[in-house]
Amino acid sequence: DVKVTQSSRYLVKRTGEKVFLECVQDMDHENMFWYRQDPGLGLRLIYFSYDVKMKEKGDIPEGYSVSREKKERFSLILESASTNQTSMYLCASSRFSRTSTDTQYFGPGTRLTVL
Amino acid sequence: KQEVTQIPAALSVPEGENLVLNCSFTDSAIYNLQWFRQDPGKGLTSLLLIQSSQREQTSGRLNASLDKSSGRSTLYIAASQPGDSATYLCAVLGGYQKVTFGTGTKLQVIP
Repeated sequence: DVKVTQSSRYLVKRTGEKVFLECVQDMDHENMFWYRQDPGLGLRLIYFSYDVKMKEKGDIPEGYSVSREKKERFSLILESASTNQTSMYLCASSRFSRTSTDTQYFGPGTRLTVL
Repeated sequence: KQEVTQIPAALSVPEGENLVLNCSFTDSAIYNLQWFRQDPGKGLTSLLLIQSSQREQTSGRLNASLDKSSGRSTLYIAASQPGDSATYLCAVLGGYQKVTFGTGTKLQVIP
């Protein structure tokens, strides 16, 4: 079974703190994604990566950065956390294809609260 | 910009009933469409993936159809069970690996 794990299920941080969310997948997938999910807004793509050290901005990259130093690990960084970044964060991975994309596999999510 | 809409936002049905969930999208230039299930406080589980060249996919009691020209997909659930209660999300993949999700339909199956 494909497994995508996220470092924390629940996280509480203070405004202005630097926050790291870690995601690891064990299926040698090329693509990795970070989403946030908010009521009424659905899932919105923050960043994605299709290879080591490669990254692309999604729909809402402001206030976030990412790091992909190894193929299996994709980190989301909140440089200075703000209350409007309180959300559920979901990581996903998939195989890469130039004509389509395989199923995305999701981690369990990290519910981040910024006070 | 691709927009994905799911109607209704919530649905409550008695156990055993067959039901249809709807998904519509504005840009028909898609690579594939995927249906997911999400249980409360959990991540997403993939149910069915339909490539753009396909019309439908089936898995057990689930059947998903795709009509690219009209920008619509349906997820049919046969003989619903209380364990089917969850939020169902559809997602479309466009160019540049861009995935756009709908806001979901929350399904409750009443025993």
